[in-house]
Amino acid sequence: GAGVSQSPRYKVAKRGQDVALRCDPISGHVSLFWYQQALGQGPEFLTYFQNEAQLDKSGLPSDRFFAERPEGSVSTLKIQRTQQEDSAVYLCASSAGTGVRDTQYFGPGTRLTVL
Amino acid sequence: GIQVEQSPPDLILQEGANSTLRCNFSDSVNNLQWFHQNPWGQLINLFYIPSGTKQNGRLSATTVATERYSLLYISSSQTTDSGVYFCAAQNRNAGNMLTFGGGTRLMVKP
Repeated sequence: GAGVSQSPRYKVAKRGQDVALRCDPISGHVSLFWYQQALGQGPEFLTYFQNEAQLDKSGLPSDRFFAERPEGSVSTLKIQRTQQEDSAVYLCASSAGTGVRDTQYFGPGTRLTVL
Repeated sequence: GIQVEQSPPDLILQEGANSTLRCNFSDSVNNLQWFHQNPWGQLINLFYIPSGTKQNGRLSATTVATERYSLLYISSSQTTDSGVYFCAAQNRNAGNMLTFGGGTRLMVKP
């Protein structure tokens, strides 16, 4: 597609439920990132994939957060046993290359609300 | 990791006014991007500018890498310029992720 797409755009979950958030990067982009944006703050890094390999997951806040990109394209961020502090916008970004000089392009985000 | 600070945190302008947004970063950068986050939450790429100066219409940006700051200039502001402006930096020693500043919230009044 022309840009990064994410689904769903909005998700409401009851505390304790599991959720799965999907990201479709720009076609052919090698690198994929997940970020979390709390209300009123800048996005914060969660995890990074290069093709199907998860090279950096240092930003995942707990072991309830899990991400995968099994075929090197679409990625899923899963949150188990959601808690209220997980409420945020989850942003996905992709870049064409693998280097630190590549422009990252962001999707519209998924707004997660945990009740 | 790298620290990124933006100023001012909030800015109110009258339509037609000019403004300068600043981004300071604590270490050398390989990537510096400016974004506009619109009211619907979409992060729109404005500039990829690890050094030098670029212009795109009413917007321009300058990064002085040796002094660790970047500036975003908005001229003849319009109401559609309202939103949050973020700068984000990438440092080789900190991996491939972008580290974002806290943003500048701009409101342009008609």
